[in-house]
Amino acid sequence: DTGVSQDPRHKITKRGQNVTFRCDPISEHNRLYWYRQTLGQGPEFLTYFQNEAQLEKSRLLSDRFSAERPKGSFSTLEIQRTEQGDSAMYLCASSFDLFRPDTGELFFGEGSRLTVL
Amino acid sequence: EDKVVQSPLSLVVHEGDTVTLNCSYEVTNFRSLLWYKQEKKAPTFLFMLTSSGIEKKSGRLSSILDKKELFSILNITATQTGDSAVYLCAVIADSGYSTLTFGKGTMLLVSP
Repeated sequence: DTGVSQDPRHKITKRGQNVTFRCDPISEHNRLYWYRQTLGQGPEFLTYFQNEAQLEKSRLLSDRFSAERPKGSFSTLEIQRTEQGDSAMYLCASSFDLFRPDTGELFFGEGSRLTVL
Repeated sequence: EDKVVQSPLSLVVHEGDTVTLNCSYEVTNFRSLLWYKQEKKAPTFLFMLTSSGIEKKSGRLSSILDKKELFSILNITATQTGDSAVYLCAVIADSGYSTLTFGKGTMLLVSP
């Protein structure tokens, strides 16, 4: 399968614990994005990488959230000291350069669903 | 702050009906508008629109962009139960993050 893959698909944790999600993008894509989606809402941008450089972070991203893409391939998103409000679907996506009209779409993974008890 | 507003938020139709979904936006330095279909999991890409007035078609789905009035519509003709999904509209603009700003989506239910 050459799509975007995410792991784990589901995670249930107790408040205060740390969790880490992994994303493996499509191998030819240089951009990798993290989004968060809650019920009844569209995906909200969290952060994105161009190769290994983290170029933008949303104001939504508190300091409990950290993302890395150490070798410009897979990425991890860590949430420290989880809170119930962190419960959401965390979507990873990858793309070529978004501003190229012929290759502009994002390809999404199936998401990692987090439930914080 | 970039805004993308979709309407209606939800819609129930009968199989065979035609539906029109709306997306309006307020962004600075608009680049493109994209439509996605989301069933239970990942959004899947439908269309990317960059130029006004040029209709994009794929089977029973079509979409068009009006950059003067700042909106797009997504049409689905002869709806089928498999069209039931959330349809997401998203915009790429220079003013915001270098990524997509999504609307809340329109939840479409096609009943048999």
